[in-house]
Amino acid sequence: GESVGLHLPTLSVQEGDNSIINCAYSNSASDYFIWYKQESGKGPQFIIDIRSNMDKRQGQRVTVLLNKTVKHLSLQIAATQPGDSAVYFCAESTGGGNKLTFGTGTQLKVEL
Amino acid sequence: GAVVSQHPSWVICKSGTSVKIECRSLDFQATTMFWYRQFPKQSLMLMATSNEGSKATYEQGVEKDKFLINHASLTLSTLTVTSAHPEDSSFYICSARDPSGGAYNEQFFGPGTRLTVL
Repeated sequence: GESVGLHLPTLSVQEGDNSIINCAYSNSASDYFIWYKQESGKGPQFIIDIRSNMDKRQGQRVTVLLNKTVKHLSLQIAATQPGDSAVYFCAESTGGGNKLTFGTGTQLKVEL
Repeated sequence: GAVVSQHPSWVICKSGTSVKIECRSLDFQATTMFWYRQFPKQSLMLMATSNEGSKATYEQGVEKDKFLINHASLTLSTLTVTSAHPEDSSFYICSARDPSGGAYNEQFFGPGTRLTVL
């Protein structure tokens, strides 16, 4: 749904730990979901996507879980590294990869 | 992977002037490009959808006469901020879809353009 806010939620993790970033979406008709990573001053970078006919998808060190019942999406990052520090956004779309609606975003900070 | 570029990466202008931002798909043809705006510590907000050879579709609340979009070719879309004011200062990001990937394919994002209006 619409994303408003004056500050980003922050998740701090120790290097090597697993990170879980959550996202709630609002449109029950959304059928395509993407996680993006955005470093300061740069554009969003694709991490992983999932269609609504799936509830889990794995990539390299990342896993996306989709719970359509409660309209919840999560991104799990295994063995978090300092280079993972960034803002992470979920995005939803209806009818494929067309117009995207971005979530609020979560700032991930990896502590050494 | 597909690459999208933006030019300029940053621009500072005086209030009342117009600024043009270019978005290019470098290694694929993009029939559809999207323009987003992002304020500090906030999310990306879609401004408009740009379709090659036709008029852009603007999101509610976005002034089409202020934010002029031209998608003249399959690899280039431009956003012109007309009569810019300090409140237009923001990070403008474009994205493009590679239609060869089918309906469920990702949007590739440009690096963004930082606009500061004095």
